[in-house]
Amino acid sequence: SQTIHQWPATLVQPVGSPLSLECTVEGTSNPNLYWYRQAAGRGLQLLFYSVGIGQISSEVPQNLSASRPQDRQFILSSKKLLLSDSGFYLCAWSVPKGLVSYEQYFGPGTRLTVT
Amino acid sequence: AQSVAQPEDQVNVAEGNPLTVKCTYSVSGNPYLFWYVQYPNRGLQFLLKYITGDNLVKGSYGFEAEFNKSQTSFHLKKPSALVSDSALYFCAVRDLFSGGYNKLIFGAGTRLAVHP
Repeated sequence: SQTIHQWPATLVQPVGSPLSLECTVEGTSNPNLYWYRQAAGRGLQLLFYSVGIGQISSEVPQNLSASRPQDRQFILSSKKLLLSDSGFYLCAWSVPKGLVSYEQYFGPGTRLTVT
Repeated sequence: AQSVAQPEDQVNVAEGNPLTVKCTYSVSGNPYLFWYVQYPNRGLQFLLKYITGDNLVKGSYGFEAEFNKSQTSFHLKKPSALVSDSALYFCAVRDLFSGGYNKLIFGAGTRLAVHP
């Protein structure tokens, strides 16, 4: 079966510090991968998605970036955090194009607090 | 533009009573619809989906949802609510223009509170 991991689970970082959040998926190949941010325990904002290694698309311009160095690894980064980057970051995966299954499966999330 | 709306910020129901969480959608073609549940400080869990076929879809934890094309709705239901059902519920629709990457458009979420 497939599993998705995120770490760290919680993170407190000062303004201006760098960020690296990691997401890995097990039990599937060539998944589509997604990064979301959830603010104030409510709506989800899609930040980035990836359909393959090195292929990253950004939904919202900001000071965050994403990378996919391996098939099942997705990394969210920032060079300098802002207070507004605080939130709950969720990674998700879905099966690749051509397979008949459209739902996304989410990881446990990372709670980021920028102080 | 494609969208999904959850008209209720919060739904309160007594344990043992039936519950309904509402969702309406707006898409230009046949919708692919989903429900997710989120417990505090957790990721979203997939509950059920409608792609095609029977309008009544059954999912995890005793939940079901009814697809109604004429009313463009996909309400989540459960015959008998449990206190443990208290959580944040999200309705979503697949973006038909997202090609192969299966972009989902999420509603704002509805908080369900089940009282003992």
